[in-house]
Amino acid sequence: GENVEQHPSTLSVQEGDSAVIKCTYSDSASNYFPWYKQELGKGPQLIIDIRSNVGEKKDQRIAVTLNKTAKHFSLHITETQPEDSAVYFCAASRTPGGFKTIFGAGTRLFVKA
Amino acid sequence: GAVVSQHPSWVICKSGTSVKIECRSLDFQATTMFWYRQFPKQSLMLMATSNEGSKATYEQGVEKDKFLINHASLTLSTLTVTSAHPEDSSFYICSAKGVGGTTTDTQYFGPGTRLTVL
Repeated sequence: GENVEQHPSTLSVQEGDSAVIKCTYSDSASNYFPWYKQELGKGPQLIIDIRSNVGEKKDQRIAVTLNKTAKHFSLHITETQPEDSAVYFCAASRTPGGFKTIFGAGTRLFVKA
Repeated sequence: GAVVSQHPSWVICKSGTSVKIECRSLDFQATTMFWYRQFPKQSLMLMATSNEGSKATYEQGVEKDKFLINHASLTLSTLTVTSAHPEDSSFYICSAKGVGGTTTDTQYFGPGTRLTVL
């Protein structure tokens, strides 16, 4: 079946440093890639997304890049802060239509003050 | 916008009883809702997909008679865990997709329900 691989599983950075999380997807027809942040005991919250017709998207300290040829996409967080500590999930899906969203296994990010 | 709520946020029940969890889309019409289960430090495991007014589609290995899903309106889906046992203890999360704007492609998640079965 289709899958999304996410690396690393755990990432520890110093406050102010950058963090990068990488995902690889298998379904070449995927065209929508959201990223979610999940804090302890809460549901995942959408933080940024990118569509296949765009190579990069930024929102303040967060950016996502997409390489369709290699089927890779990455989340970049700059100037990390302790409140960025959470589990981050990447996902891939096809739109429109009733296709399933495939989630990565998650990356636990620790930002040390 | 695109807010999803769940109720209750946590529940403790005795083994053998049934528990109902509600998922509501507060500011959009959810044509499709999803129910996930999440174990500690693990990813989201899709249990079932439900479209308003039709039967839910369950993932392989998920017992549909044990996890009853009803998506009776465009803003409400319910998950009932019947005859709950300790192994059903988990974090249950719903999500919703709608029609129009960002809700068409994006799943918006509820805050989750922590179920503990004694």
